Amino acid sequence: GQNIDQPTEMTATEGAIVQINCTYQTSGFNGLFWYQQHAGEAPTFLSYNVLDGLEEKGRFSSFLSRSKGYSYLLLKELQMKDSASYLCAVRDRGTYKYIFGTGTRLKVLA
Amino acid sequence: DGGITQSPKYLFRKEGQNVTLSCEQNLNHDAMYWYRQDPGQGLRLIYYSQIVNDFQKGDIAEGYSVSREKKESFPLTVTSAQKNPTAFYLCASRMGDETQYFGPGTRLLVL
Repeated sequence: GQNIDQPTEMTATEGAIVQINCTYQTSGFNGLFWYQQHAGEAPTFLSYNVLDGLEEKGRFSSFLSRSKGYSYLLLKELQMKDSASYLCAVRDRGTYKYIFGTGTRLKVLA
Repeated sequence: DGGITQSPKYLFRKEGQNVTLSCEQNLNHDAMYWYRQDPGQGLRLIYYSQIVNDFQKGDIAEGYSVSREKKESFPLTVTSAQKNPTAFYLCASRMGDETQYFGPGTRLLVL
């Protein structure tokens, strides 16, 4: 079967660093994706990992370990506008279906 | 401008009524997807299409139907068989191994 787990809520302070973890189980892996979703809006793409290691994009970085079924999204220099839900999704190799976690709601406090 | 459009932004359905949600993309993407999102939840896949004139059921297809007669269009019909249709509906498209990109969504409410 396929399953994705991520924490429901996290709180951090403006200017700090926060790490959002995601663990997954899948029968056919074709990439792990992170999306940001502000309340009432559609998700927007943040990052994509298909090989092990760290991908860095400005203030956002994402890490993948396929052998451990584990990824994290690292947000640096947190800003108030980073308050949003962060969705972890795994793509299936055969069908190109995306399986989403329930999302992590991040609150950034002043 | 290239992108994915969904209409309407808000849609109201009466009991026993079928409603159709529009999704159009001018990105020349082959694959298109429909998701449903309930409050505080992740996205659940309703239907997806890898190419024109072909589509497959996702995890929660009951009470929904789709068509893919044109590459740029993938409308979703919410039938009267869907007993709990109130949700945020998201359409997405993808080309090759790239990520999928989402439209702005349609919020469906039952009167």
